[in-house]
Amino acid sequence: DIQMTQSPSSLSASVGDRVTITCRASQSISNYLNWYQQKPGKAPKLVIYAASSLESGVPLRFSGSGSGTDFTLTISSLQPEDFATYYCQQSYITPPITFGQGTRLEIK
Amino acid sequence: QLQLQESGPGLVKPSETLSLTCTVSGGSFSSSSHYWGWIRQPPGKGLDWIGTIYYSGSTYYNPSLKSRVTISVDTSKNQFSLRLTSVTAADTAVYYCARTPQYDISRFDSWGQGTQVTVSS
Repeated sequence: DIQMTQSPSSLSASVGDRVTITCRASQSISNYLNWYQQKPGKAPKLVIYAASSLESGVPLRFSGSGSGTDFTLTISSLQPEDFATYYCQQSYITPPITFGQGTRLEIK
Repeated sequence: QLQLQESGPGLVKPSETLSLTCTVSGGSFSSSSHYWGWIRQPPGKGLDWIGTIYYSGSTYYNPSLKSRVTISVDTSKNQFSLRLTSVTAADTAVYYCARTPQYDISRFDSWGQGTQVTVSS
């Protein structure tokens, strides 16, 4: 199975900050990488697909980059509604589809 | 607007079978455009993919659960279902159903709200 490792596990930031979350795959996955946002008690929401494509309706302050084994999710200017847990997910070699352990983004 | 809704018992006894149903409304369930999947999230933990089904009945399962999982579809009711046998406390989780496009069966672009299932005697 392909293992997905996110860093950091948690992050404190302020409204207006630029934030970057990293995801590393245990082997190359090309650009088969999705990012999800999950707020407490809610279902995950797709934010970025194919490493860098913005899902419809997601604000432009979200962006994704990377290819191969290293990927990043960047929020250019944090808004109050962005504080959540973010998960990366690989879709290159399946089954199984695998997720990272999550990065919790908290208000400083 | 597409809606997915999970339903089923919230409490299951150890060694018994967990059964959940996802009802899809507001969209075309039987079209060739989408796959339908189950994902779970143990308390305080991350996301685990369980399996995915096509409207035709083709299935893909997580190898770690394959011996215990069956996902089926009922196109006449716009539903797909999950059965997980021989459950233990480790199967306690919020269970989500979700949709993926046919051309990328790993891209979960629409989710149900989730249902809590607790395994306990």
